[in-house]
Amino acid sequence: SQQGEEDPQALSIQEGENATMNCSYKTSINNLQWYRQNSGRGLVHLILIRSNEREKHSGRLRVTLDTSKKSSSLLITASRAADTASYFCATDAGDSSYKLIFGSGTRLLVRP
Amino acid sequence: EAQVTQNPRYLITVTGKKLTVTCSQNMNHEYMSWYRQDPGLGLRQIYYSMNVEVTDKGDVPEGYKVSRKEKRNFPLILESPSPNQTSLYFCASSPRLPPEQFFGPGTRLTVL
Repeated sequence: SQQGEEDPQALSIQEGENATMNCSYKTSINNLQWYRQNSGRGLVHLILIRSNEREKHSGRLRVTLDTSKKSSSLLITASRAADTASYFCATDAGDSSYKLIFGSGTRLLVRP
Repeated sequence: EAQVTQNPRYLITVTGKKLTVTCSQNMNHEYMSWYRQDPGLGLRQIYYSMNVEVTDKGDVPEGYKVSRKEKRNFPLILESPSPNQTSLYFCASSPRLPPEQFFGPGTRLTVL
């Protein structure tokens, strides 16, 4: 089952611009995570936001969560060519299990 | 160095020939999980384990087996591989709930 759906599927921006990716999910959650994947490599955890949080920052990353709309956004400010990667949101199943459900990802290309 | 290792990294095999992909973590994490990644489908969870001798099915467990006899190891077993199991496989581990996961480098499997 696909819990998280990212939008857009692909995004191309110029270096220095901001990049915004969105994630929508279907059921109630305890937390939502964002991961980054460089081509064909393992995913790297970026940030986690809990269901009782609305916004969280980490360096150039800003994540928002709207549980009423069942959606989250990831903003990367002042993008760099090295930010080129795929970005995935992942949600828990809403219970206390370790089950994680990933979206299909947004491919970000930052042009130098 | 804290890491999740997978072996082999690349494997080409034939239909029906049993294979095992090993996964090991040196971070004393309780939680481990296996995912497969296919184009356009994101990551789908195959099995996960909350601790030694405790495993549970993810979204796509058919055709796979796992075991967790030791905390550090979580092998993925394909008893009779089929071409539809051709995929990129990732192992991940996490120390706690919520599962902010550390991913291995991936195993690219081709079943002919």
